[in-house]
Amino acid sequence: GIQVEQSPPDLILQEGANSTLRCNFSDSVNNLQWFHQNPWGQLINLFYIPSGTKQNGRLSATTVATERYSLLYISSSQTTDSGVYFCAVLDNYGQNFVFGPGTRLSVLP
Amino acid sequence: SAVISQKPSRDICQRGTSLTIQCQVDSQVTMMFWYRQQPGQSLTLIATANQGSEATYESGFVIDKFPISRPNLTFSTLTVSNMSPEDSSIYLCSVTSGTRKYFGPGTRLTVT
Repeated sequence: GIQVEQSPPDLILQEGANSTLRCNFSDSVNNLQWFHQNPWGQLINLFYIPSGTKQNGRLSATTVATERYSLLYISSSQTTDSGVYFCAVLDNYGQNFVFGPGTRLSVLP
Repeated sequence: SAVISQKPSRDICQRGTSLTIQCQVDSQVTMMFWYRQQPGQSLTLIATANQGSEATYESGFVIDKFPISRPNLTFSTLTVSNMSPEDSSIYLCSVTSGTRKYFGPGTRLTVT
């Protein structure tokens, strides 16, 4: 089945810094999404981005489908950005999402 | 979008007992998904629940351990049976609306 990798596994930033999170996947995909899991466990859907670039406030995402990777950019980070960021792709049968291992982000005041 | 609620939000249970988790969605959906997230790990799909048919379980998960009900298009339950400390996890209900996936707030289960 499709494999999803994320890097880095852990990231520590000072408030105000920028960061880039990466997601690599092993096969072509039609559906890729980014999620943020806050420290209380709630998963929030950030982006649906099978290709191209989208922006939402301080967050933006780019997926280069032909090269099988996606990037999540966080600018001017805030302590509320802390948590785990997951990339997920729809498997080749189009039924189930495969989640990457996540990037744990800690933003320090 | 979809708004999903789960009950209970957390529980502490004794080894050998069972817990039923409820999931309610604010709109009708064909499929509901149950995930497990073990401490410090990513999400693993337990099963997919379709209304009016048996749930489809992923490799490593069996109906006797994780029975699922899906009585209508907005509601599902997951039971964690004969619990052991290894079942301590966050259990999450999920649906897909349009192209996007949404999650409930999760049930944090601790088995002692």
